[in-house]
Amino acid sequence: EAGVTQSPTHLIKTRGQQATLRCSPISGHTSVYWYQQALGLGLQFLLWYDEGEERNRGNFPPRFSGRQFPNYSSELNVNALELEDSALYLCASSLAAGLGELFFGEGSRLTVL
Amino acid sequence: DAKTTQPPSMDCAEGRAANLPCNHSTISGNEYVYWYRQIHSQGPQYIIHGLKNNETNEMASLIITEDRKSSTLILPHATLRDTAVYYCIVRVAGGWDTGTASKLTFGTGTRLQVTL
Repeated sequence: EAGVTQSPTHLIKTRGQQATLRCSPISGHTSVYWYQQALGLGLQFLLWYDEGEERNRGNFPPRFSGRQFPNYSSELNVNALELEDSALYLCASSLAAGLGELFFGEGSRLTVL
Repeated sequence: DAKTTQPPSMDCAEGRAANLPCNHSTISGNEYVYWYRQIHSQGPQYIIHGLKNNETNEMASLIITEDRKSSTLILPHATLRDTAVYYCIVRVAGGWDTGTASKLTFGTGTRLQVTL
């Protein structure tokens, strides 16, 4: 069974540009979480989607947004990129309504120049 | 979600048991203790979780104190491949209507270094 998959693996952008990251959850999982992990730091909660709706978001500015599609895949959009947005962006999925353990993808490393 | 406190780093000799402590003194009665680990540059991996009873699986054992204010993750025979950052988090095992259930705060974890 395929795990959580994320794309792209690496992404390089310049300040002011927009980045789009994608995530496919494990089959049967309807909850998708996004985390940001800056170099040497812990995981910071970004967004949680379940059944196509945003259920909760962390302390990030509105230029961090996303959506969940009918097939439960998700994308994270970061607008007006800033240098400090450089980080590993991790996606995780779980069973419906945030139950059970999280299964993480390998992440998308975003570098902003 | 309750906050957790972990030592920033620990060392363990290969073949020995690694005991990783976690304090969660403000844990609520409906919050589970979860452990994850993150090997360098990879996505975090689920290890084990528990509510109040001790738990064991093929990867590790979880010992939760009777007052549930702290727990210990035990890797019985650490290997070099167990070198990683270990995260202890507490989480409400409820649905989306429990608003804080989703804000899983991982913190900075314990960096375990297993040596020869």
